[in-house]
Amino acid sequence: NAGVTQTPKFQVLKTGQSMTLQCAQDMNHEYMSWYRQDPGMGLRLIHYSVGAGITDQGEVPNGYNVSRSTTEDFPLRLLSAAPSQTSVYFCASSETSYEQYFGPGTRLTVT
Amino acid sequence: AQRVTQPEKLLSVFKGAPVELKCNYSYSGSPELFWYVQYSRQRLQLLLRHISRESIKGFTADLNKGETSFHLKKPFAQEEDSAMYYCALGEGDYGQNFVFGPGTRLSVLP
Repeated sequence: NAGVTQTPKFQVLKTGQSMTLQCAQDMNHEYMSWYRQDPGMGLRLIHYSVGAGITDQGEVPNGYNVSRSTTEDFPLRLLSAAPSQTSVYFCASSETSYEQYFGPGTRLTVT
Repeated sequence: AQRVTQPEKLLSVFKGAPVELKCNYSYSGSPELFWYVQYSRQRLQLLLRHISRESIKGFTADLNKGETSFHLKKPFAQEEDSAMYYCALGEGDYGQNFVFGPGTRLSVLP
């Protein structure tokens, strides 16, 4: 099992550009989520999904979109990147929601 | 207001010394609490959860509902324990929404 994979590992964007961060899991987990990690603030929940076709907002959803067309994939879209979105992004999945398995992270810089 | 607080950004102890990483939470229901750890260049991973009451790598944590605390303890710190530690609260109908504390960086000195 590859577990939770994320691509790309690093990305630099200019303000206003859009992009999609990819997340996939091969554990058949129903629950998936996206977090951003910023110094001094820990991890903050952006969006989550409790199953294919079902998504909801977390604590900091503005500027991000998600969709969940399959159990395996949960992409995160930045519609118009802003410097405030410079962060490390983590995807996670879980079966029971109580033990989350994290991906390796994507380090995003917006200039 | 933060619902999970970890008052220390950085905690330095010498090898063999006891260590306690503090976590306090704010939650009206019965909380599901966890400690996650991130070692250098590794993924965030679950260290322990309060419902299992187990000891992982010598760490234990006791939920104190009166003090709304879930402090992480280890009697004798090892250098390999150096890492970033996050306390987390699970909430929502399925516990699907995790609220993480800001984290404490533990540095174990030789």
